[in-house]
Amino acid sequence: EAEVAQSPRYKITEKSQAVAFWCDPISGHATLYWYRQILGQGPELLVQFQDESVVDDSQLPKDRFSAERLKGVDSTLKIQPAELGDSAMYLCASSDFYEQYFGPGTRLTVT
Amino acid sequence: AQSVTQPDIHITVSEGASLELRCNYSYGATPYLFWYVQSPGQGLQLLLKYFSGDTLVQGIKGFEAEFKRSQSSFNLRKPSVHWSDAAEYFCAVGVYTGNQFYFGTGTSLTVIP
Repeated sequence: EAEVAQSPRYKITEKSQAVAFWCDPISGHATLYWYRQILGQGPELLVQFQDESVVDDSQLPKDRFSAERLKGVDSTLKIQPAELGDSAMYLCASSDFYEQYFGPGTRLTVT
Repeated sequence: AQSVTQPDIHITVSEGASLELRCNYSYGATPYLFWYVQSPGQGLQLLLKYFSGDTLVQGIKGFEAEFKRSQSSFNLRKPSVHWSDAAEYFCAVGVYTGNQFYFGTGTSLTVIP
């Protein structure tokens, strides 16, 4: 069964450092999402891609976060510089237009 | 604007007891509806979904949910809870136009022996 891949699974970084997460969606899924999930809360959409284009990044803190999906396949989410408040689970999902499929997530801890 | 409300932040049930988790949504048309489960440190796993047709849908792990249009609800049920069901449960609404999804804040389920 096809799955959404994410790496790394866990990341510990110091504040002010740069950090990057990678996501490989299910083959053929044109839509890719990055979510941030703070402990005890629901996922919050950071950015949505349709192929290589950004559809929605209204909640992405653009002063420190960036996301790209250059060839419309895999995607990278970057934080620079990381802040203590960025500690969270970062989830990637892809969609076949009817349903979202989630990856295992990256747990980020900023110290 | 679309929204999803899960009024119960935390629920505790005894193993073997029945379970109902509530979900209400706000959307102008009939949405796609989903329930996900999340174990600690893991991603979200789809339990079941409703697109159209029969308003009672069956999912994995013995879960079912009923879509009630008049109440804008999509409550999740299980007749007999197992200790392994302890997790966080999220209700979500999918909007066909724009391929967008909106999540509730989740309900944390604790199962006691």
